Amino acid sequence: DTAVSQTPKYLVTQMGNDKSIKCEQNLGHDTMYWYKQDSKKFLKIMFSYNNKELIINETVPNRFSPKSPDKAHLNLHINSLELGDSAVYFCASSQALGGTRNTIYFGEGSWLTVV
Amino acid sequence: ILNVEQSPQSLHVQEGDSTNFTCSFPSSNFYALHWYRWETAKSPEALFVMTLNGDEKKKGRISATLNTKEGYSYLYIKGSQPEDSATYLCASMNSGYSTLTFGKGTMLLVSP
Repeated sequence: DTAVSQTPKYLVTQMGNDKSIKCEQNLGHDTMYWYKQDSKKFLKIMFSYNNKELIINETVPNRFSPKSPDKAHLNLHINSLELGDSAVYFCASSQALGGTRNTIYFGEGSWLTVV
Repeated sequence: ILNVEQSPQSLHVQEGDSTNFTCSFPSSNFYALHWYRWETAKSPEALFVMTLNGDEKKKGRISATLNTKEGYSYLYIKGSQPEDSATYLCASMNSGYSTLTFGKGTMLLVSP
């Protein structure tokens, strides 16, 4: 079983559309994240949820809205997609937020292309 | 915001060669340093979590060292194999920031 799974893996969509990327972890972790690999290839944190509560919200446009229905799921909704949103988005989880237990387990990434 | 730098950006070695690369991070308020291995189209996979100055960790042919006072970590691969080809990411955490900041990675290609 995949520990952190995200869908879809590939998504091509037009500017202005609204899309969602789903993420589920079966590791029993309390904390989930969304990372974005930017154009310079850095993996940058977007959001972090701990036990369904938003903990970290980096300077991400409010067109991006995470939703955590339970601690095993963290979905990413993106409204009014723009060309600059094209990137690889990684979902991840860890046992806890912060501390040495913070080994992060990643999904395989979702390649979003906005045309 | 932490600034984590890795060098070299890419590396091409022959099978059997030993190699190493560097991760530099701010040493103030250091808390933890992570190394990940990332093959294209797969999930980044955790290799090591290091916290103490002078730490050395080993996993098979891969090992890592940590110097928290000067803010660097080395990753070593002994006798590189083609299956070692991947991007190696390091990420640092300081005590004032509760998540990891990643470097750009070192892309390693091992030719048979």
